[in-house]
Amino acid sequence: SQKIEQNSEALNIQEGKTATLTCNYTNYSPAYLQWYRQDPGRGPVFLLLIRENEKEKRKERLKVTFDTTLKQSLFHITASQPADSATYLCALPSGGYNKLIFGAGTRLAVHP
Amino acid sequence: DVKVTQSSRYLVKRTGEKVFLECVQDMDHENMFWYRQDPGLGLRLIYFSYDVKMKEKGDIPEGYSVSREKKERFSLILESASTNQTSMYLCASSYGLQGQPQHFGDGTRLSIL
Repeated sequence: SQKIEQNSEALNIQEGKTATLTCNYTNYSPAYLQWYRQDPGRGPVFLLLIRENEKEKRKERLKVTFDTTLKQSLFHITASQPADSATYLCALPSGGYNKLIFGAGTRLAVHP
Repeated sequence: DVKVTQSSRYLVKRTGEKVFLECVQDMDHENMFWYRQDPGLGLRLIYFSYDVKMKEKGDIPEGYSVSREKKERFSLILESASTNQTSMYLCASSYGLQGQPQHFGDGTRLSIL
């Protein structure tokens, strides 16, 4: 079955720098991959979807890449701000009915 | 904006009790999901439903059941609560088309004493 690996250690960066988070998966390459943000005590919020035929997707300060050869997605936040501090989850399709399998998430802390 | 509402933010119950967690969505979504989230383990799917009265087991259904009598409402039932069911429970909903994002409620933090 599909497994997802996200760096379990928190990522600490300075405000204004680019944060880069990694999502690696095993087994088959999915048709798409999604990224979510989760704040403490809240449910995850959808950010971006990238399809297998897209190498890169952007939304404001966010950029996601998808490398099916490396079985990896990178999630970048440019010009990071303290308000970007949160846990970021990647998710892949898992069977039908729009089911997803989620990574455990990486916590990002942006320091002023 | 899509709203997924979970009935309680915090809940404390005793071992052996029957526990009901309720979830309501307002976007006419076909799919609804129940997850539990534990530190280091991420989100794990308990049950999901793709239509009224239709349900399927997820990855960790043991000790749980679900009910979907109306499209907007999906209930999770702990038949006889045990301490290892202490967790954060998250409900989500989505349209049926593949790739549609899931919309989450803010979770119920359930403690079983």
